Amino acid sequence: SSELTQDPAVSVALGQTVRVTCQGDSLRVYYASWFQKKPGQAPVLVMYGKNVRPSGIPDRFSGSTSGTTSSLTITGAQAEDEADYYCNSRDSSGDRWVFGAGTKVTVL
Amino acid sequence: QVQLLQSGAEVKKPGASVKVSCKTSEHIKFYMHWVRQAPGQGLEWMGNINPTSGSATYAHIFQDRVTVTTDSSSNTVFMELRGLRSEDTAVYYCARDLGATRDNWGPGTLVIVSS
Repeated sequence: SSELTQDPAVSVALGQTVRVTCQGDSLRVYYASWFQKKPGQAPVLVMYGKNVRPSGIPDRFSGSTSGTTSSLTITGAQAEDEADYYCNSRDSSGDRWVFGAGTKVTVL
Repeated sequence: QVQLLQSGAEVKKPGASVKVSCKTSEHIKFYMHWVRQAPGQGLEWMGNINPTSGSATYAHIFQDRVTVTTDSSSNTVFMELRGLRSEDTAVYYCARDLGATRDNWGPGTLVIVSS
């Protein structure tokens, strides 16, 4: 079982806002990072640290953390944002990394 | 940007071992991780290696079956998985500096375990 909990799926209308959440005790201590995963492609980092967006990631992606929950928000979702999104962080021991089970984002 | 080049697809029989390589285009300076994704499943962290100390850390579920090593002379990281079973059929990725400033992933290596 994963130490990071994500909702299995969420849908959003084109151009609207969607938030994907990740809950875990270790998030009180460690930041989550967020990966976008599309079929046949390697994961792409879209958010890390204290809401840092890597170069090339659109600014419609933003992040936040409150307590044990980290959130990835897509403001003005586009068709190309349809993908699986995984949060990742250290586990409670801090020695190992762990992924959430992933959230499938569907853009309607 | 640093390039990560992984070895080609493998087909193995149950009980066998597989060794996947990941060659970087520069000296290995950051932690290197291995992540896999089985068909229809999520991303699964397997382990990593500290390039300075050579010390590796593994996910508990792989602790007895996986070994991650580096060859600094060739800037290559290796992941060996032993005792393969059908559930190990997956795409295996190497990733540099996972989820951090220098995050970069290899293209993945498909490993099929089938009798």
